Amino acid sequence: DTGVSQDPRHKITKRGQNVTFRCDPISEHNRLYWYRQTLGQGPEFLTYFQNEAQLEKSRLLSDRFSAERPKGSFSTLEIQRTEQGDSAMYLCASGTTANTGELFFGEGSRLTVL
Amino acid sequence: GENVEQHPSTLSVQEGDSAVIKCTYSDSASNYFPWYKQELGKRPQLIIDIRSNVGEKKDQRIAVTLNKTAKHFSLHITETQPEDSAVYFCAAPRGGTASKLTFGTGTRLQVTL
Repeated sequence: DTGVSQDPRHKITKRGQNVTFRCDPISEHNRLYWYRQTLGQGPEFLTYFQNEAQLEKSRLLSDRFSAERPKGSFSTLEIQRTEQGDSAMYLCASGTTANTGELFFGEGSRLTVL
Repeated sequence: GENVEQHPSTLSVQEGDSAVIKCTYSDSASNYFPWYKQELGKRPQLIIDIRSNVGEKKDQRIAVTLNKTAKHFSLHITETQPEDSAVYFCAAPRGGTASKLTFGTGTRLQVTL
């Protein structure tokens, strides 16, 4: 499968613990996005990268959240001191500056904070 | 920033009937309007999109119409089939660029036999 892959698919953690999610985009895509989706809602933008540069971070995003894309390929999203309100599906998507704007989503990483 | 409103939140149609989902957006600079389909437990996938230089686009049983003056766009599915059952999301770019999308809250379409 040459699509966007995310790991882990499911994560259960206790409140206060740190968690890290990884995303491997489609290899030729230079843009990588993180979205968060809660039940009954559409994906909510968190941040995006063009190559290794983080170009925008949502103002709604707590400083407990940090994302990196060190070599312009895979990306990690870390949540520190998790809270129950962080429970959600974290979706990664990739795209290119050359394409129509289509986002290719991964299957997501579901976080449950107890 | 962009504000996208979508309705209805749920829609039930009989197989073979048509379904229409509507979205409005706030940023007049927006120029790209995609629709994504998300089946239960699956990833969102693009099914059709439209740019602001056209008013309508069709792909087999799916069509999207755009009214830039009124700032709304709609998804039309004809001859619905059970496999059309899913959640559909509209989206519009934040800041007018296609790179950052704001999604609607979704419409759960149920096609009954």
